[in-house]
Amino acid sequence: EVQLVESGGGLVEPGGSLRLSCAASGFTFSSYRMNWVRQAPGKGLEWVSSISSTSSYIYYADSMKGRFTISRDNAKNSLYLQMKSLRGEDTAVYYCARDLGGKSHLDYWGQGTLVTVSS
Amino acid sequence: SYEVTQPPSVSVSPGQTASITCSGDKLGDEYASWYQHKPGQSPVLVIYEDTKRPSGIPERFSGSNSGNTATLTISGTQAMDEADYYCQAWDSSTVVFGGGTKLTVL
Repeated sequence: EVQLVESGGGLVEPGGSLRLSCAASGFTFSSYRMNWVRQAPGKGLEWVSSISSTSSYIYYADSMKGRFTISRDNAKNSLYLQMKSLRGEDTAVYYCARDLGGKSHLDYWGQGTLVTVSS
Repeated sequence: SYEVTQPPSVSVSPGQTASITCSGDKLGDEYASWYQHKPGQSPVLVIYEDTKRPSGIPERFSGSNSGNTATLTISGTQAMDEADYYCQAWDSSTVVFGGGTKLTVL
């Protein structure tokens, strides 16, 4: 069974940093591109970042460039999102999701982890 | 940057057909996907590559994509289908989501 389990969310002050993790199981992690997608309270889904299976290709949404860093460890079947200079508008549930690369679809999603940026 | 647009809300009576549209420039030239998202749950893929249903998704869910519009159709809508629905496309190498459509079954 495919499982994606996010962790690392919590309350952080504006300007602070946080590192999210996503533990994958039930599939060959190293064969899939991985994504982070977020949903702010009362808002829609917003794609954050993606990383190719071998970490060769990394992309970010414009509003996250320079503040967020995506990475993965295929030996540990894990995906990460390092977030810095956090703002109130970064408050959201953050989901990890996999896709097969190319222009494919996000077929499995984790349950999400809540990040709250507030003083 | 590329954008896709959805109506904010759609209402349907139980047993009737609901159609949710997603509009974008030449959207029909690329694959569109659709996700169902219920409060407190993870998004679920319901349609991919315009028309395909993942395993476990009921046959009442179908999709089409042509010209500038992709459409998610739910036939014989049930109360359990009440949710937010998002279309998804690509802008070069980045994922693009529509703003979401709240489907109300009443």
